[in-house]
Order: sequence, then structure tokens, then C-alpha cells
Amino acid sequence: GENVEQHPSTLSVQEGDSAVIKCTYSDSASNYFPWYKQELGKRPQLIIDIRSNVGEKKDQRIAVTLNKTAKHFSLHITETQPEDSAVYFCAASIGNQGGKLIFGQGTELSVKP
Amino acid sequence: GAVVSQHPSWVICKSGTSVKIECRSLDFQATTMFWYRQFPKQSLMLMATSNEGSKATYEQGVEKDKFLINHASLTLSTLTVTSAHPEDSSFYICSASYTDTQYFGPGTRLTVL
Repeated sequence: GENVEQHPSTLSVQEGDSAVIKCTYSDSASNYFPWYKQELGKRPQLIIDIRSNVGEKKDQRIAVTLNKTAKHFSLHITETQPEDSAVYFCAASIGNQGGKLIFGQGTELSVKP
Repeated sequence: GAVVSQHPSWVICKSGTSVKIECRSLDFQATTMFWYRQFPKQSLMLMATSNEGSKATYEQGVEKDKFLINHASLTLSTLTVTSAHPEDSSFYICSASYTDTQYFGPGTRLTVL
């Protein structure tokens, strides 16, 4: 079945450093790749997304890259701040299934001041 | 825009009782909503896809007679956990699709004693 693998499971960086989280997906029909940030006990919040017709998208300190050939996409956070500490989930749409997403396992990011 | 509410935010019930959770899209109409379950330190596990005016589609391994889903209007979907048992204790989160993007409700923490 469809699958999304996310790495690393935990990531600790110093404030100001960059953080990179990587995901691979299995469904070649996937065409939408969102990233969500979830703080403890809260709802997942969409932070950035990318569609299959572009290779990169940037929003201030956050960027996402997509390599459709290799079926992987990555989240890049620059100039990290303590408030970036949270669990980050990548997801991929499942082709022709009405917007269904399959989620990665999550990455717990800790930004140390 | 794209706000999703969920009620209740937490519930404690006795084993054997049923619990109903409501998911509402507040400022948009959602023909499709999704129900997820999330255990501590784990990813979001899709339980079912709720379509307005038709039967829900359940993921493999999810008992449709135990987790009843009703999507009676374009802004409301409900999940009823029937005959709840302690192993059903979890964080239940709904999401609603708006322009192909999923927006999440705040979640309901269910504790079954």
C-alpha cells in the first residue's frame, strides 16, 4: 500500500542553525505534499505545501523542495528559533482518492536557545 | 478563513457507553471531512473519510459498526464511538478539505475508564 517515510524521528539544533527533515513517498500518483506543525496537545497546523508542478517553494524561513523522480521531498527551516520546537509531519496525497493524505511518522524538533 | 471546530475538547466516560464527537467547518462548506486517531508520540492514523450525503469510507482495520460516522450537512460531521472500551482512549482529530487542503480541528481527547 501507499507509504510515507520520514526522517529523522528526532532532531535537535542550536538556535539560529538550520533544520532539514526528509520524506519519501511510494505512490507515483501523489501530487500534493503538505507539511504540518503540531505542538503538544494541539491541532496540526499547515505551515507550507507544494504541488507536483513545482520543485521548490519558500515562505520566509521555511522552504520545501520536491523531487518527483526520486519521490522525495524535504522541509528546510533556516534561522531556527525556540518557538519552532514541535513535531513536524509530512504528508502526501493518495492519487484519485478525494484529498486523502498519508502522513509520515513525524519529527520531533527541539531548538535549544 | 478555513476554521474547523471540534466538540467536546475532552471527554471521560465509563466503559460500555457511547460518545459522540462533532466536527464543524465554521467558515466554509466541506463536502469531505476526515477522521483521525492519534496515540501519544505517534502519527495521525486515518480512520475514515466522511462524505456529505453518503456513507463514510473506512480504512482497513477500522470497525465501521464501532465508529459510526454521519455527515449530515456541508458543515458538520459526527463520529460516535459506540460501546467504548479503555483501548479506545486516544486523541481524535477531524479535518475538513478546503481547496484541496486539509484543515484540522483542535482534537478531542477521549478517556475511557
